[in-house]
Amino acid sequence: QSVLTQPPSASGTPGQRVTISCSGSDSNIGSNPVNWYQHLPGTAPKVLIYSHNQRPSGVPDRFSGSKSGTSASLAISGLQSEDEADYYCAAWDDSLNGWVFGGGTKLTVL
Amino acid sequence: EVQLVESGGGLVQPGGSLRLSCASSEFTFSDYAMSWVRQAPGEGLEWVSGISASGGSTYFADFVKGRFSISRDNSKNTLYLQMDSLRAEDTALYYCAKMGYAGSRSWFDHWGQGTLVTVSS
Repeated sequence: QSVLTQPPSASGTPGQRVTISCSGSDSNIGSNPVNWYQHLPGTAPKVLIYSHNQRPSGVPDRFSGSKSGTSASLAISGLQSEDEADYYCAAWDDSLNGWVFGGGTKLTVL
Repeated sequence: EVQLVESGGGLVQPGGSLRLSCASSEFTFSDYAMSWVRQAPGEGLEWVSGISASGGSTYFADFVKGRFSISRDNSKNTLYLQMDSLRAEDTALYYCAKMGYAGSRSWFDHWGQGTLVTVSS
């Protein structure tokens, strides 16, 4: 059971906008920045969003992040087939004194 | 281009030990905290352990406390994970990850390709 809660799956058609939620608690999302990672099978995970809503250079602005209270969301607009991947939220947890991840959301582009 | 190359994985019997290594290049290794993150077959990403840039502070997930230790050799630009008393549930692909920073904010900005650990009799 992951400390951060994500829906196991999400889907959308090309061009659509999809959002993935991530629910935590006061000791993690409520107190610390949230990061989002994209993971394609057989490859190294890649950071998409750091500190709630910041995009590293090279990440398209179709990807955006937000946070409210103890929850965060990743939004992907203009969905493309190459976006089909697993997406994870993560944050530092002050109580556990370590990083915690969500269980991951498998995004399918229909 | 930052390079992180893990090695040391393999098949080990329950109760056995393994030592993973992560060789780094193209960045000043001694300036950055590092972590190990794993992915069990069919499961999600799970943080295992982290170490500060100097090596003076270490952190562990509860499920490995007392069994795993993390260390680094900044003169060799290499991160290590010593895994003892291995269990079947430790079977996973183990990734080495470098921390990125912006002020007080941090995240895993580069990852290796992983090394597979299989614990089975």
